[in-house]
Amino acid sequence: EVQLVESGGGVVRPGGSLRLSCAASGFTFDDYGMSWVRQAPGKGLEFVSIINWNGGSTGYADSVKGRFTISRDSAKNSLYLQMNSLRAEDTALYHCVRGTPYSSFDYWGQGTLVTVSS
Amino acid sequence: QSALTQPPSASGSPGQSVAISCTGTSSDVGGYNYVSWYQQHPGKAPKLMIYEVNKRPSGVPDRFSGSKSGNTASLTVSGLQAEDEADYYCSSYAGGNKGVFGTGTKVTVL
Repeated sequence: EVQLVESGGGVVRPGGSLRLSCAASGFTFDDYGMSWVRQAPGKGLEFVSIINWNGGSTGYADSVKGRFTISRDSAKNSLYLQMNSLRAEDTALYHCVRGTPYSSFDYWGQGTLVTVSS
Repeated sequence: QSALTQPPSASGSPGQSVAISCTGTSSDVGGYNYVSWYQQHPGKAPKLMIYEVNKRPSGVPDRFSGSKSGNTASLTVSGLQAEDEADYYCSSYAGGNKGVFGTGTKVTVL
């Protein structure tokens, strides 16, 4: 059974940093591109970032480019999102997702909540 | 990149059909056959319903179908059932290793 379990969310002040993690299991991690998708409270889905199967290619939404960095560790079957210079508008539930915008997002984690507030 | 445009709401009686549109540009929906659709019930993670415009993952009922014409994609739910009441989002590849989601449509089963 495919499982994606996020962690690392919390409350942070504007300008602060957080590192999200996603533990993947139930599939061959190295065979898949992975993504982060967020959803602000009561709002719609927003693509955040994508990394290909071997980490050699990444992509970011314009809203986070230059502030967020996606990475993966095949030895730990884990996906990460380093978030710097956080803003109030980054407040959202962050989902770890198997897949990419060009393959579809076929499995979703339950998400980890990030709140940016002073 | 701007969100794809979906109607805020759609509704139908049990057994009827409902269609949801998803309008983008030639740089996303119109430029690639990488349109997918997601169903989200309250408090739950989204679920993939359609990928690559019109393909259904295993386990998704054939009541769900997808299509595309130009810069607009559509999801049709036939034979509406109570459990189809949910929010639906489209998504498209937007080039340059980026994706874009639609604004979301709330489907109500009357």
